[in-house]
This record gives sequence, C-alpha cells and structure tokens, in this order.
Amino acid sequence: GAGVSQTPSNKVTEKGKYVELRCDPISGHTALYWYRQSLGQGPEFLIYFQGTGAADDSGLPNDRFFAVRPEGSVSTLKIQRTERGDSAVYLCASSLGEGNTIYFGEGSWLTVV
Amino acid sequence: GENVGLHLPTLSVQEGDNSIINCAYSNSASDYFIWYKQESGKGPQFIIDIRSNMDKRQGQRVTVLLNKTVKHLSLQIAATQPGDSAVYFCAERLNTGGFKTIFGAGTRLFVKA
Repeated sequence: GAGVSQTPSNKVTEKGKYVELRCDPISGHTALYWYRQSLGQGPEFLIYFQGTGAADDSGLPNDRFFAVRPEGSVSTLKIQRTERGDSAVYLCASSLGEGNTIYFGEGSWLTVV
Repeated sequence: GENVGLHLPTLSVQEGDNSIINCAYSNSASDYFIWYKQESGKGPQFIIDIRSNMDKRQGQRVTVLLNKTVKHLSLQIAATQPGDSAVYFCAERLNTGGFKTIFGAGTRLFVKA
C-alpha cells in the first residue's frame, strides 16, 4: 500500500496477557517511529528506528515494552503482562530518512480489560 | 507534553472565517516544526512544516508562522471549511544527536456552518 499500515486495527486483551502490534512502513522509508496516544492527548513518543537499530528508545515506559525491526522494514511493538493503563492508540509512523517528515498510520487501538 | 486530559483547548469559528491556532514549544534545540491534523479515529495527517531558519511558510490555504524568540508557532487556515474540523497538533523535532519528534497537547477546531 501507499501509506503506513498497522495491524490489528483493534485489539482487546485481558490484563496480564502478551500483545504484539505490527507496523509496515511506507516503502523505501528507512526511519520508523512508535507513539502512544491516550484520549484527549497528543501522541507520546516511544521509540524510533533508523534501519534495524533503535536510535532512541527513551520513551518506552518500562521493560514490559519492547520493539524490533529485524530487517529494517516491518516493526513489531511487543507489550508483556499488559495492564489496564496500557489501553491507548498505538501509532506507527515512518519517514524517508532520519530527519525527514514523519507520516502516520491509522493506529492500533488497544484495550486491556 | 502538557497533559490536558479530555479538556483540549477549543477554537470555534464560522465557516468562511480565518482560523489561527497557536502553539508554544519548549526546546531551543528544536530545528524543525510540523503541524498535523487528526480527525476522529484516524492517525495524524501532515499539513505543513517549517525549518528553524524560516519565520513563515505558506501552503494551500494554510500558513505557518514561527517566532523563535518567544518559542511560538501558529497555524493560520484561510476560509475555514467544515472539513477542517479536527484536532490540530504542533510537533517539534529535537536535534540533539537524534531526531525525536515530540507533540504538543493539541487544539480542537470546530467549524460552524
């Protein structure tokens, strides 16, 4: 597709379960970003990748959150032992290069019950 | 960014009038600024950007103004239309060895027909 693709679009999971959220960036974009957005707030930075490596993971809230991008394209955000406070929209974005404009996908809505 | 919970600043304008949305940023190291529009249930959509060596940039019906002295950014929308109703976020890119982009809290724009 032409834009950033995220799956699933919606996920409901039970407290304590493990969740994976997938992001497929725009073709040719080398930088990939993960953000989290709670209702009524702006996107909160989590991590960004340049190629396969995490260039900045300072926004990951704790060690239950982890992200990978093994081949420099698709990325997976992994959340262990989910908590109700993890409920949010998880947004993925990509850019042509590290300093270029970032373009967002539609997000994955995560609800932890 | 600032936590405003569910109570986003709101701007209400009449269709056809001009809109001005303001944003204060906090980091002197920021070298690039972007405005995004977010409609309900969708990811943020790029509108216009400006680099720190400029003070004004115009697009189609939109103008961004940057005042680095007081760390202020504004988005002007000419002849506002009902389709402009959305939440608008300013974002700043920190140039501190990496290229993390952080978002403000957002402003909700209502356009009255």
